[in-house]
Amino acid sequence: KAGVTQTPRYLIKTRGQQVTLSCSPISGHRSVSWYQQTPGQGLQFLFEYFSETQRNKGNFPGRFSGRQFSNSRSEMNVSTLELGDSALYLCASSLEAITPNSPLHFGNGTRLTVT
Amino acid sequence: GNSVTQMEGPVTLSEEAFLTINCTYTATGYPSLFWYVQYPGEGLQLLLKATKADDKGSNKGFEATYRKETTSFHLEKGSVQVSDSAVYFCALRNSSYKLIFGSGTRLLVRP
Repeated sequence: KAGVTQTPRYLIKTRGQQVTLSCSPISGHRSVSWYQQTPGQGLQFLFEYFSETQRNKGNFPGRFSGRQFSNSRSEMNVSTLELGDSALYLCASSLEAITPNSPLHFGNGTRLTVT
Repeated sequence: GNSVTQMEGPVTLSEEAFLTINCTYTATGYPSLFWYVQYPGEGLQLLLKATKADDKGSNKGFEATYRKETTSFHLEKGSVQVSDSAVYFCALRNSSYKLIFGSGTRLLVRP
């Protein structure tokens, strides 16, 4: 079974631009979560989607948004990029969002660099 | 609030040494506890988990026991290999469904 796939692996953008990152979950998984990883702040939760609905949201500004499609694939968008948005963005999927026992399966991430 | 505290790294060991990475947590309710590992240039891989008090998670020679009385979930391995060099993250997940991670502990195993 294929794992979580994130595209692209690397992105370089300029301040003020916007960017869209894509995530395809493991087949059959219906929950997708996004995390930001930086050296200073570590791993921080962005949002979680289940059946096309955002169920949880972290403490990020409104420039960070996401969505989930009917096939469970998810995208996140960051508008008006800032230098501080440079990070590794990780997508994770799980079979369901009903129980916290379900482990998250992570992709290899998208490395975003903002110049 | 909910939080996870891990020992600071890096932890440097010789091959075949015993490994302990300390992890303590603060949480409301009864969270599930996880250890994830991140190899260079990759995402996080689930190493093991425990979902209730006194559960022991184990995988690839690593193990950790959910200790509610000490709010701890220390990671151990009896004999580390060079290939175990990575960053290890302790995490909890409670009813809010998001994973709360510790800051990570880098392990370097020398031949």
